[in-house]
Amino acid sequence: ILNVEQSPQSLHVQEGDSTNFTCSFPSSNFYALHWYRWETAKSPEALFVMTLNGDEKKKGRISATLNTKEGYSYLYIKGSQPEDSATYLCALHTGGFKTIFGAGTRLFVKA
Amino acid sequence: DTAVSQTPKYLVTQMGNDKSIKCEQNLGHDTMYWYKQDSKKFLKIMFSYNNKELIINETVPNRFSPKSPDKAHLNLHINSLELGDSAVYFCASSPRAGSGGFTDTQYFGPGTRLTVL
Repeated sequence: ILNVEQSPQSLHVQEGDSTNFTCSFPSSNFYALHWYRWETAKSPEALFVMTLNGDEKKKGRISATLNTKEGYSYLYIKGSQPEDSATYLCALHTGGFKTIFGAGTRLFVKA
Repeated sequence: DTAVSQTPKYLVTQMGNDKSIKCEQNLGHDTMYWYKQDSKKFLKIMFSYNNKELIINETVPNRFSPKSPDKAHLNLHINSLELGDSAVYFCASSPRAGSGGFTDTQYFGPGTRLTVL
């Protein structure tokens, strides 16, 4: 059974803090790693898709890195804002039909 | 225009009833999915169709039956509803399935909150 683990489960930060969280996955079954942002009462929306070891992606204050050899990806948020409050999901594509989602990291940014 | 739409958004029903949730995507995607958000907030895949063909059928009770009349629609019918079926169900679509679509993003509908009393 393939498992995608995310840590921490939840995170409380102050506005202006920078933060990061981790997605771990089995490196032997890697095709792509997707990050999604999921705001409360909405549906998940794509942030990044990463495929190559050493990939770095950036969108505004949010960036992500990928290490396929050791099986992890980091998501960074610089200068967190209240509107960054959401659940951040990572999802592993193993080349089959299924994408395996982690449980998410729930971020709360206090003004 | 909504890319992936689900109806209804909320569904409250009694145990033992049969109900359906409908999903439509106007993105021209080949692949559609049903996920269940469980009590721990995990998104668990239930079914997936590619061009109206069933490609993922996870271990779910056979009271759940998907139907894809065309590649833009994937409906979920649930017979004899049980208390444990209460959850949020998400429909999603992506351009392609399998190894040809590993970089494809999934587009999610707004979810259907099912409450079984």
